[in-house]
Amino acid sequence: AQSVTQLGSHVSVSEGALVLLRCNYSSSVPPYLFWYVQYPNQGLQLLLKYTTGATLVKGINGFEAEFKKSETSFHLTKPSAHMSDAAEYFCAVLEGAQKLVFGQGTRLTINP
Amino acid sequence: EAGVVQSPRYKIIEKKQPVAFWCNPISGHNTLYWYLQNLGQGPELLIRYENEEAVDDSQLPKDRFSAERLKGVDSTLKIQPAELGDSAVYLCASSSRQGTGELFFGEGSRLTVL
Repeated sequence: AQSVTQLGSHVSVSEGALVLLRCNYSSSVPPYLFWYVQYPNQGLQLLLKYTTGATLVKGINGFEAEFKKSETSFHLTKPSAHMSDAAEYFCAVLEGAQKLVFGQGTRLTINP
Repeated sequence: EAGVVQSPRYKIIEKKQPVAFWCNPISGHNTLYWYLQNLGQGPELLIRYENEEAVDDSQLPKDRFSAERLKGVDSTLKIQPAELGDSAVYLCASSSRQGTGELFFGEGSRLTVL
């Protein structure tokens, strides 16, 4: 079975600083990987995904993630944090045709 | 286009009472999911429907939980009787395309069991 580990349940950065949220996966097959974001009192929404092809994928709001097979990682980055980026971020891997397996989440706090 | 709608948003009940959550997926989405999200954790799949059929309910505690999706549209998740450990957020999601992992989530129903 596939699994996801997110390193760090809480990450705090200053506004304008680099955002780095870490995700490692375990999969017996080439993985489909995702980042979802959950803003306060809202549902999860897709930020970006990797399926095949280019290993650097770009998502909404200036986020991007790089698939590194050798490191079994799919870390999420943003060059310059904005106050509106404060949210909970979930890394996920697709198991089978339709089941998403989520990590435990990382809460991102932005300091002014 | 309307998103996934869930109700109620919040529910407080005493243990041993029943509770039901309702979900209306995005129009045309054949796949519907119920996820459980405990505090500080990621969502965990409870059940997945393809149209009216429950195709994956292996994680649904069938002694107290039940779900239905009549006519392949709306769905209801029921807990009877509720226990203290059931306090969590119950998320509904829908998808139109198999194999993409692109799910659209509702805002969730937060249950507190006293």
